[in-house]
Amino acid sequence: KQEVTQIPAALSVPEGENLVLNCSFTDSAIYNLQWFRQDPGKGLTSLLLIQSSQREQTSGRLNASLDKSSGRSTLYIAASQPGDSATYLCAVSPSITSNTGKLIFGQGTTLQVKP
Amino acid sequence: GAGVSQSPSNKVTEKGKDVELRCDPISGHTALYWYRQSLGQGLEFLIYFQGNSAPDKSGLPSDRFSAERTGGSVSTLTIQRTQQEDSAVYLCASRLAVFTDTQYFGPGTRLTVL
Repeated sequence: KQEVTQIPAALSVPEGENLVLNCSFTDSAIYNLQWFRQDPGKGLTSLLLIQSSQREQTSGRLNASLDKSSGRSTLYIAASQPGDSATYLCAVSPSITSNTGKLIFGQGTTLQVKP
Repeated sequence: GAGVSQSPSNKVTEKGKDVELRCDPISGHTALYWYRQSLGQGLEFLIYFQGNSAPDKSGLPSDRFSAERTGGSVSTLTIQRTQQEDSAVYLCASRLAVFTDTQYFGPGTRLTVL
């Protein structure tokens, strides 16, 4: 059974700092991995999607890496801003015969960036 | 263009009542998912619809939960005889046909069972 773990559960940093969020998964048989952002009381916003054949994706100040063989992904946020404060969720799409594209989520990392 | 919409945004009900939650996916998206987000369990998959294929109901927690998708578009999640443990945020997502595409999530419906 695929399990996704995110460390740390919460993180507080001063504005301007670079930071790394970690995600690990137990089964390397995945189609892709996604990082989402969730603001309080809101839905999920997709940040980056990495296909299983890719090593990383970048969007602005965000960079996500994927090491499928070791079951790990990191989300790197450069020059953090107070507006980055949110919960960040990692999710994998298992590549099994009966796959439906459903996502298996980690518990999330709640980030607070202090001005 | 318009994103995924859900209604109502909040629903308070009494234990034992039935509730219906609605999801309008992005136009043209053939795949639709329901997830549940609760404090103790995180985000969990409930059910998946793809075109006219039989839905994947493997995530539904009990037979009190059911869902349908009419005309390949709007979906309704129904919870019968609600229990307090059903209190959660119910999120709907849609995507284009292929597995490699991202899922786009709605804002969710917060269900509170008193």
